[in-house]
Amino acid sequence: EVQVVESGGGLAQPGGSLRLSCIASGFTLTNYWMSWVRQAPGKGLEWVANIKEDGSEEDYVDSVRGRFTISRDNAKSSVYLQMNSLRAEDTAVYYCVPHMDRRVWGQGTLVTVSS
Amino acid sequence: DIVMTQSPLSLPVTPGEPASISCRSSQSLLYRNGYHYLDWYLQKPGQPPQLLIYLASNRASGVPDRFSGSGSGTDFTLKISRVEAEDVGVYYCMQAIHRLSFGQGTKVDIK
Repeated sequence: EVQVVESGGGLAQPGGSLRLSCIASGFTLTNYWMSWVRQAPGKGLEWVANIKEDGSEEDYVDSVRGRFTISRDNAKSSVYLQMNSLRAEDTAVYYCVPHMDRRVWGQGTLVTVSS
Repeated sequence: DIVMTQSPLSLPVTPGEPASISCRSSQSLLYRNGYHYLDWYLQKPGQPPQLLIYLASNRASGVPDRFSGSGSGTDFTLKISRVEAEDVGVYYCMQAIHRLSFGQGTKVDIK
């Protein structure tokens, strides 16, 4: 079964850091670009970052560039999102999304930035 | 960036009646392989988006055949032939030809 499972969310203070993880199963991670997508409470979906199959290219939405870093470890079937200098507006459920035709979504992991 | 525009943003429906949602992209979603990189999703409260349609017109596994997707270039449509009560929620279109971007969402509820 093709599946992704996100983890690492929680409560962080403004200016703090969190590291999200995504573990993929049922498919070969090395074959796919991967993205992180977020959804603020009561809002729509927003793409955050993506990374090429071999990790050689990354891209970010302007609002997180310089604060967030996407990475991957294909040997561990994992994708990560290091989030630094967190702001209240980063509060959201974060989803790890593979760039495949029959795309699967996990349950996401909730990040709350608040003092 | 590719901007996705959905309409309508709110759609009251009557069970048994058809329904349709439009999605327009600011750039063509046709890739060199001949496929259009456009997905449709349904999101219910507290749940992740559920894939309904991929590559513009392919129904995902387990999706009832009352759902269909069509369109090309920059204009796409999701149709529900006969709405059922379980179809309520927010529908999103998403392009995957450059980064990912989403429509604003269409909230479907029962009249």
